[in-house]
Amino acid sequence: GDSVTQMEGPVTLSEEAFLTINCTYTATGYPSLFWYVQYPGEGLQLLLKATKADDKGSNKGFEATYRKETTSFHLEKGSVQVSDSAVYFCALSGGYQKVTFGIGTKLQVIP
Amino acid sequence: EAGVAQSPRYKIIEKRQSVAFWCNPISGHATLYWYQQILGQGPKLLIQFQNNGVVDDSQLPKDRFSAERLKGVDSTLKIQPAKLEDSAVYLCASSPRQGRKGTGYTFGSGTRLTVV
Repeated sequence: GDSVTQMEGPVTLSEEAFLTINCTYTATGYPSLFWYVQYPGEGLQLLLKATKADDKGSNKGFEATYRKETTSFHLEKGSVQVSDSAVYFCALSGGYQKVTFGIGTKLQVIP
Repeated sequence: EAGVAQSPRYKIIEKRQSVAFWCNPISGHATLYWYQQILGQGPKLLIQFQNNGVVDDSQLPKDRFSAERLKGVDSTLKIQPAKLEDSAVYLCASSPRQGRKGTGYTFGSGTRLTVV
């Protein structure tokens, strides 16, 4: 079945550092790929998405490119801020719009 | 537009008691989902509704969990009797309609259940 593997955290970075959170997936067909973010005490929010190979999703300075050849969707940001501290979930959607999530990666940004 | 509403925000119960959670999706969203998020894990789909019909409940522990979506709008998830391992955040999400590629979900804030 569909699955998502993402790097385990926590990831601790200094403010303005470069961020990469790795995500790979296993799925049949051509799934849509997502990154969700969960701030402390809140529900999940859609951060960005890509629906086909080579698409780049972007939002709030975050980017991720749908790489079918490596089945990856790594999240990147050039300069993180303290306000980016949250848990980030990689996810995919195959048939019937069912979304399968990874385990989440906790990011902590220190001033 | 109003988001996905869930209540209560927090609930503490003793094991073997029953509990119910309520969700009101975004107006007009045909598809509604209940997810269970155990601490330190990603959300796991429990049940998916399309209007008032069940599309997927393969991971719902049917001996103790039940869910309904009367009239295809709001939904209730019930646990009876609760076990310690049911302690989790229960997330409700909705999306405009099934089959639309790349739609993504809108999540509610969740209900944090603690079973003691």
